[in-house]
Amino acid sequence: AQSVTQLDSHVSVSEGTPVLLRCNYSSSYSPSLFWYVQHPNKGLQLLLKYTSAATLVKGINGFEAEFKKSETSFHLTKPSAHMSDAAEYFCVVTYYNQGGKLIFGQGTELSVKP
Amino acid sequence: DSGVTQTPKHLITATGQRVTLRCSPRSGDLSVYWYQQSLDQGLQFLIQYYNGEERAKGNILERFSAQQFPDLHSELNLSSLELGDSALYFCASSGGLAGASSYNEQFFGPGTRLTVL
Repeated sequence: AQSVTQLDSHVSVSEGTPVLLRCNYSSSYSPSLFWYVQHPNKGLQLLLKYTSAATLVKGINGFEAEFKKSETSFHLTKPSAHMSDAAEYFCVVTYYNQGGKLIFGQGTELSVKP
Repeated sequence: DSGVTQTPKHLITATGQRVTLRCSPRSGDLSVYWYQQSLDQGLQFLIQYYNGEERAKGNILERFSAQQFPDLHSELNLSSLELGDSALYFCASSGGLAGASSYNEQFFGPGTRLTVL
């Protein structure tokens, strides 16, 4: 079955330090990959997306992710964490034969310490 | 603000009851998607409608049904509710029908939190 795995359920960083949230997807056809963020009591917001163009994707709020086909990974990074980055992050995949159906990872909760 | 609205924001009901969740997509968006977010199952795709027609089905129970109306708003009906149906239900909308070579970004509403007692 097509799936996506987020390797950490919780990540804690200090403000100003780098962020790394890890994601692996099941290899099948050509995936489109996304990162969404969910702040407490809010809906989901798209951070960035990979759709077979450049493998290094830049998103909003300083986040970026690199698509690595050989590793079937799509890790999310940010050079310097901000307190406002504390939220739940979801790695999401869809495939060309899935129409618009999104397959979500289990989520990674990011905590940012002052 | 994504432009997708969902009502009600919170819903508390009892087992065995039936509820209706409502979603208004962004202006001009033809596709509506429903997702369920629960602690044990995470975020799961339920169903998609495009311009009034059902296009894709995910892990949607037979007790659940949905429809999209001519004005493009959508309703998700949940019946014979069980404790396990307690979850956050999201609606998302996108501009078109995502095909083999394209992806239409989905914009999510704030969700309806359903509590079944």
